[in-house]
Amino acid sequence: NAGVMQNPRHLVRRRGQEARLRCSPMKGHSHVYWYRQLPEEGLKFMVYLQKENIIDESGMPKERFSAEFPKEGPSILRIQQVVRGDSAAYFCASSPPVRVDEQFFGPGTRLTVL
Amino acid sequence: GENVEQHPSTLSVQEGDSAVIKCTYSDSASNYFPWYKQELGKGPQLIIDIRSNVGEKKDQRIAVTLNKTAKHFSLHITETQPEDSAVYFCAASTYYQFYFGTGTSLTVIP
Repeated sequence: NAGVMQNPRHLVRRRGQEARLRCSPMKGHSHVYWYRQLPEEGLKFMVYLQKENIIDESGMPKERFSAEFPKEGPSILRIQQVVRGDSAAYFCASSPPVRVDEQFFGPGTRLTVL
Repeated sequence: GENVEQHPSTLSVQEGDSAVIKCTYSDSASNYFPWYKQELGKGPQLIIDIRSNVGEKKDQRIAVTLNKTAKHFSLHITETQPEDSAVYFCAASTYYQFYFGTGTSLTVIP
């Protein structure tokens, strides 16, 4: 009964490097959502994906951030040329196709940019 | 867009006492209100939720109330235990996009 899986759990990058965060949804879930949590704040929506489709990326910064959910394999959130302000916890959630408001969250990836 | 405010930001109670956390929202179209518990180093875990066609929902020691007219909803935890210590988040949504409050750090003192 595996839940939402994310890896790595902790990621350290230097400024200017790339960060790749992976998310495997729960079995039977084909919808994935990424949220960002800055220190002492609530989670903020970034992007909603279905297999091979980006449904809504309105919460994603216009530059340096991208997300994908390929036909095979995990969803990936990619941050290019990271800056210190990207340091945060990134959470992935998944839902079944018919209940997009029933989102189950993974344990998160804590990104630290040095 | 939706704006969710949550109070208090920190809450300390004695074991066995009740804890109440309150949230307000701005978008009258929001119709789903989940509450999440987040323990240190872990992801948010859904503990209870309520939809806009219901005024109150209870699950053992946890209850949530919703006042659509006033646009506020509350989490009530009775007979608190040390393992209830965590950060609690409320959220509001109309569809897939959740708007979260800023969290309440609850400490239950044994």
